[in-house]
Amino acid sequence: DSGVTQTPKHLITATGQRVTLRCSPRSGDLSVYWYQQSLDQGLQFLIQYYNGEERAKGNILERFSAQQFPDLHSELNLSSLELGDSALYFCASSSRAENSPLHFGNGTRLTVT
Amino acid sequence: GENVEQHPSTLSVQEGDSAVIKCTYSDSASNYFPWYKQELGKRPQLIIDIRSNVGEKKDQRIAVTLNKTAKHFSLHITETQPEDSAVYFCAASIDWGLSFGAGTTVTVRA
Repeated sequence: DSGVTQTPKHLITATGQRVTLRCSPRSGDLSVYWYQQSLDQGLQFLIQYYNGEERAKGNILERFSAQQFPDLHSELNLSSLELGDSALYFCASSSRAENSPLHFGNGTRLTVT
Repeated sequence: GENVEQHPSTLSVQEGDSAVIKCTYSDSASNYFPWYKQELGKRPQLIIDIRSNVGEKKDQRIAVTLNKTAKHFSLHITETQPEDSAVYFCAASIDWGLSFGAGTTVTVRA
């Protein structure tokens, strides 16, 4: 167990809908990262937050947004869903120590029908 | 930004043989290099990491080597077993976190 909690585990929804994915980082970790992994693909970096502030942005679509709350949990909002958004969405957290590893949650599998 | 290239994209080895995965990076400031293993449908898990002040690190059947001058690092798995079949990702540190390679799918044939 990595200590990173993601909910829900599975999500099935229709095109055009909006969903929210939730992540609780490991105790003490200030950084939260979101990754998208489509079938047989690599880890596509979406966005990073550090102590509530956005710190880095990857190839995140405008239909997607995220935030990190004062208690350090994070939410990833996906709207106007398309079939191509079906993927595994991973959250990861890391400590404030320099060059520390990322610890991944078990992911949320999103299926858009 | 940092660009991490990983080769090969797929690797098939006979059980008991060795597997080697190679990565190169572009940012000379990178000084931390972790490797992750991802089994089908599971989360990526850290299996070993190396920092720039070390040239080699070993943990049982797994070893990593780092050549900072050439900006490349490698993962070596010896005496491969069926449970080593997975996707392996290398990564290099960047100012805000880690940049990942595209992954190598390793299949160990019985």
